[in-house]
Amino acid sequence: GAVVSQHPSRVICKSGTSVKIECRSLDFQATTMFWYRQFPKQSLMLMATSNEGSKATYEQGVEKDKFLINHASLTLSTLTVTSAHPEDSSFYICSARVPGQGSSYEQYFGPGTRLTVT
Amino acid sequence: GQSLEQPSEVTAVEGAIVQINCTYQTSGFYGLSWYQQHDGGAPTFLSYNALDGLEETGRFSSFLSRSDSYGYLLLQELQMKDSASYFCAAPSNQAGTALIFGKGTTLSVSS
Repeated sequence: GAVVSQHPSRVICKSGTSVKIECRSLDFQATTMFWYRQFPKQSLMLMATSNEGSKATYEQGVEKDKFLINHASLTLSTLTVTSAHPEDSSFYICSARVPGQGSSYEQYFGPGTRLTVT
Repeated sequence: GQSLEQPSEVTAVEGAIVQINCTYQTSGFYGLSWYQQHDGGAPTFLSYNALDGLEETGRFSSFLSRSDSYGYLLLQELQMKDSASYFCAAPSNQAGTALIFGKGTTLSVSS
């Protein structure tokens, strides 16, 4: 099956700094990737849809200037948390649709990045 | 809007059968998926129902009733390794957009 990787797996940063998280599709091309965040013991909340070569589509309530998404190639999407604050501490997970499927019912998820802002 | 409701916790013993229910309210319906997530790990796809009825995949089966806006995941011959969170999820529209997830059900399997 297809593999999605994320880097880094864990990151600790100081309040006010920026952090970049990479999401890569290793053996397939992903024109669309999705970014979710997940708080402990809670569900995955969609943050944005990342489209290769165009601007990301953000969900209501997600600050696009704070969570910068870039999808510069068919295998790489990045999420940059700018001016991070402790409340941004969370588990960030990316996913990509299975190639060839018209719907998004099956997605491949990356292993996630745990961000801790001190 | 869309929402998917499922129980927060379920407990069972090894070898037992457990059913995790999911009721949904969606503006359109494009099928119901189920994902498993172990603590600290990535969600992995289990099954998908686009039409009414039962889909069987090994020890796991998934059922859908579109008239009742209801589905369930059935786990048989439970094993300790099945302890995880299980999420029902639905595509927000037909055109390959993201999934909307339920709040998840934590399954604890004991010996």
